[in-house]
Amino acid sequence: DTAVSQTPKYLVTQMGNDKSIKCEQNLGHDTMYWYKQDSKKFLKIMFSYNNKELIINETVPNRFSPKSPDKAHLNLHINSLELGDSAVYFCASSQGTVLEKLFFGSGTQLSVL
Amino acid sequence: DAKTTQPTSMDCAEGRAANLPCNHSTISGNEYVYWYRQIHSQGPQYIIHGLKNNETNEMASLIITEDRKSSTLILPHATLRDTAVYYCIVKGNTPLVFGKGTRLSVIA
Repeated sequence: DTAVSQTPKYLVTQMGNDKSIKCEQNLGHDTMYWYKQDSKKFLKIMFSYNNKELIINETVPNRFSPKSPDKAHLNLHINSLELGDSAVYFCASSQGTVLEKLFFGSGTQLSVL
Repeated sequence: DAKTTQPTSMDCAEGRAANLPCNHSTISGNEYVYWYRQIHSQGPQYIIHGLKNNETNEMASLIITEDRKSSTLILPHATLRDTAVYYCIVKGNTPLVFGKGTRLSVIA
């Protein structure tokens, strides 16, 4: 079983649409994250949730809204997609929030046309 | 968090040891050194981390200098599957921040 799984793997959509990316972890971890990797390959944290509570919210536009129905899931909803949102989005999880050994999903390639 | 400096790229012959250096001269006393790698089209993968002492696991060894201003990740017997971007990260009580890393190419 995949430890951290994301769906879909590829997402192609038009500007202005709303889309969601789902993430699930079966490791029993308390903390989940969303990272964004842009075309220059820089990997930046977007959000972090610990036990369903938002603990990190970097300077991400309000169009991005994470939702954690339970501690095993952290979904990412994006409203009014823009060209600049095209990137690879990675979900990750860890047991704690300080000494973090992160487990990453395989990524979702989002292409906004 | 302290910043790190890594070479942009390195080559290593298959079967030889790959030694990846990292400078972190502004590291604080409570900050750990983490290493991750990202194989093409995959998510980053944790390799190892340490504070002061050298560490070894099934993937690699981490050598941290006594003054903690630099470290070296050692892959003892590199294989073609070790070709990846390797990230050295210094971290305290804040999330992991990934830099540009070192692109390691293992050559047959």
